[in-house]
Amino acid sequence: GENVEQHPSTLSVQEGDSAVIKCTYSDSASNYFPWYKQELGKRPQLIIDIRSNVGEKKDQRIAVTLNKTAKHFSLHITETQPEDSAVYFCAATDNFNKFYFGSGTKLNVKP
Amino acid sequence: DTEVTQTPKHLVMGMTNKKSLKCEQHMGHRAMYWYKQKAKKPPELMFVYSYEKLSINESVPSRFSPECPNSSLLNLHLHALQPEDSALYLCASSQDNQAGKLFFGSGTQLSVL
Repeated sequence: GENVEQHPSTLSVQEGDSAVIKCTYSDSASNYFPWYKQELGKRPQLIIDIRSNVGEKKDQRIAVTLNKTAKHFSLHITETQPEDSAVYFCAATDNFNKFYFGSGTKLNVKP
Repeated sequence: DTEVTQTPKHLVMGMTNKKSLKCEQHMGHRAMYWYKQKAKKPPELMFVYSYEKLSINESVPSRFSPECPNSSLLNLHLHALQPEDSALYLCASSQDNQAGKLFFGSGTQLSVL
């Protein structure tokens, strides 16, 4: 089955700096890559996603890049704010409803 | 309506109790999921229903029993749980089999005493 690895496990940045979280996957059949943000005690919320026919997608301060050849994808957050502090999970899936999650990155944005 | 609603939000039960978790969505999604999440870990898939039929069971112990009464509702029946089953139980839904966006409910925080 698919194996998704996520790095780093923790990330501390100063407010206003950029943050980058990276994930790799093993199954070339995976074709959809969402990113979830989970605040303490709350549900994972979809913040951005990308499909395998696209190399990059941007939504305001958040962007995701995908390199299918190398089987890795990354989340980029620019101009970080304290409210960006949360745990971020990447995931990968093919067409069969199995979402494979990375182990999570705890992002701490220091004011 | 873009919500997945779960009840109850919190549940404390003894090892001999029987309880049920409920999940509802009105987005017309045809795939519904149960995930289990331990603190500081990613969600772990338990079950998937696709078009109201159980399509994935990740070798979950029989003390967890899912039920999909209709396309909008998903239940998880709990019986004779163990303390290690204490976790956040998340329901989710997605459009269908086409690797659609997965939307999570707010979860039920379960404690087994």
